[in-house]
Amino acid sequence: AQSVAQPEDQVNVAEGNPLTVKCTYSVSGNPYLFWYVQYPNRGLQFLLKYITGDNLVKGSYGFEAEFNKSQTSFHLKKPSALVSDSALYFCAVREPGNQFYFGTGTSLTVIP
Amino acid sequence: GAGVSQSPSNKVTEKGKDVELRCDPISGHTALYWYRQRLGQGLEFLIYFQGNSAPDKSGLPSDRFSAERTGESVSTLTIQRTQQEDSAVYLCASSSSLSGGSDTQYFGPGTRLTVL
Repeated sequence: AQSVAQPEDQVNVAEGNPLTVKCTYSVSGNPYLFWYVQYPNRGLQFLLKYITGDNLVKGSYGFEAEFNKSQTSFHLKKPSALVSDSALYFCAVREPGNQFYFGTGTSLTVIP
Repeated sequence: GAGVSQSPSNKVTEKGKDVELRCDPISGHTALYWYRQRLGQGLEFLIYFQGNSAPDKSGLPSDRFSAERTGESVSTLTIQRTQQEDSAVYLCASSSSLSGGSDTQYFGPGTRLTVL
């Protein structure tokens, strides 16, 4: 069975500091991995995805994520956090042809 | 270009009433998904349409929930005899369903349902 876990409900980081939002997954095959962001009272917006190839994926707004097959992780990172990055972040996983599975979300707060 | 749209944006109803939520996917997108997001929680998969194939209804929580899609266009999610626990934001997403499933989902703004 597929699953995706976001072990931290809340992450706080000071503005200008690097940020990491963690995601681990459990699938039986080679997964496709996604990150979405949800700003208050808004729908989910796509940030980035890993399909194949280079393990480091770069996405929107300066975010990047690293696919680590041995650790079954796909952590979201940004070198320097902005206050405007404060939002709810969702990791999602999909095996080819199957439905998407979303994590429970991590609330990121960037402190000025 | 136009994104995924949903209507209404907000719906307040009384317990026991039926409600119908609408989703207009991005033109040309063959895949359409419905999710439920309860306050402070993650996304809960409800149903998935892919082209003319039979929909994946495995996420529907009860027989009060149903959804239809006409071809590759509009979809409606119907909740019959609403209960207070149905209160949530209902999100729709569509994708172009690339080969192998690497397609990106694009989400609508959601319909906030409140059952009194």
